[in-house]
Amino acid sequence: SQQGEEDPQALSIQEGENATMNCSYKTSINNLQWYRQNSGRGLVHLILIRSNEREKHSGRLRVTLDTSKKSSSLLITASRAADTASYFCATVQPYGGATNKLIFGTGTLLAVQP
Amino acid sequence: ETGVTQSPTHLIKTRGQQVTLRCSSQSGHNTVSWYQQALGQGPQFIFQYYREEENGRGNFPPRFSGLQFPNYSSELNVNALELDDSALYLCASSLGGVLSRNEQFFGPGTRLTVL
Repeated sequence: SQQGEEDPQALSIQEGENATMNCSYKTSINNLQWYRQNSGRGLVHLILIRSNEREKHSGRLRVTLDTSKKSSSLLITASRAADTASYFCATVQPYGGATNKLIFGTGTLLAVQP
Repeated sequence: ETGVTQSPTHLIKTRGQQVTLRCSSQSGHNTVSWYQQALGQGPQFIFQYYREEENGRGNFPPRFSGLQFPNYSSELNVNALELDDSALYLCASSLGGVLSRNEQFFGPGTRLTVL
């Protein structure tokens, strides 16, 4: 089963605009990660934010995490046509042992129009 | 490129058949996870192998099984294929350990179609 939902399901913007995607999850987490997927192929890791962090930046990406609301957001600034892809949040739970499984959300399909 | 490879790229099977999918990990990684992604959905965790032992399993029946080899490459086997097994199968490698909670590096996936 999915961990949670992402909002919106689909987003269409113009090149140069900012894109914001939200993710909600259900259980406590060790960290939350964002991945990008182009055309139903492999996922590319974008950024990881730990449960004790509130905000993280990587290039044009900004991620926030609110563990009290069990939610995260991904902001892509100055979007480009090449950013067109599906974006997934994925959580890792804080259980003991070596299991490092990702529990994915439902994804946001981002289309950036040139 | 993540350095994780999967074969084959595409596969068509009929219901009831068996299939083996293969994955080569990124160099230095000792953990492989397998995910199933149905069309329009997020990936779902099948199982994980750490140093050749199964280390966690998702909500998949026993006809889904796997192996990890000493070089940390891995296989996913699915017996008695059903139509609902049609999906993109992704493997991901990572550097695991008792307290590891690291990012994972995904291969390009194998698209399985069951007719």
